[in-house]
Amino acid sequence: GQQVMQIPQYQHVQEGEDFTTYCNSSTTLSNIQWYKQRPGGHPVFLIQLVKSGEVKKQKRLTFQFGEAKKNSSLHITATQTTDVGTYFCAGSNSGYSTLTFGKGTMLLVSP
Amino acid sequence: EADIYQTPRYLVIGTGKKITLECSQTMGHDKMYWYQQDPGMELHLIHYSYGVNSTEKGDLSSESTVSRIRTEHFPLTLESARPSHTSQYLCASSELGVVSGTDTQYFGPGTRLTVL
Repeated sequence: GQQVMQIPQYQHVQEGEDFTTYCNSSTTLSNIQWYKQRPGGHPVFLIQLVKSGEVKKQKRLTFQFGEAKKNSSLHITATQTTDVGTYFCAGSNSGYSTLTFGKGTMLLVSP
Repeated sequence: EADIYQTPRYLVIGTGKKITLECSQTMGHDKMYWYQQDPGMELHLIHYSYGVNSTEKGDLSSESTVSRIRTEHFPLTLESARPSHTSQYLCASSELGVVSGTDTQYFGPGTRLTVL
């Protein structure tokens, strides 16, 4: 079955440093989504990428979808303590199949 | 903000008890899901439904069962709870995106289950 791998599993940064998490799929994806889960909370949808090579920005967050639609990244510029949480990528082979979630990257930001 | 609700939020129960975790959404979404997640760990899909009278098992084998009699309601039942069932259970729903054919999932707040 489809596998979605995410690295790193965990990262601890100082406030102001940049952060990147990477997502790789064993198969070509129709779309990739990113979710954020705050400690003690539930996953919240951040963004969806559909097109090959697509880049989207949300303030300090930059999301990329690879040309082959098998990998994606989330980059946070100048992290803040409010960025703390676990970031999950999730992909599917088609709009009619279930999402496969990566294992997530837990981000800790020290002030 | 998504309108998806889960009750109870916290449940501590003894071994052998039957429990039902409730999940309701008011968005009219056809697709609903149950995930199991241990603290700080990955999400495991245990059940999903494409609509009324549709239920499917997810990637992670689970002793729980689900039903979908109404669009807005997707309860999960454990006939006999065991300590190994201790976890957080997250319900989610989605509507198939018309333009891109993709579905964004909206999660409920979760039920934290502890079986003693």
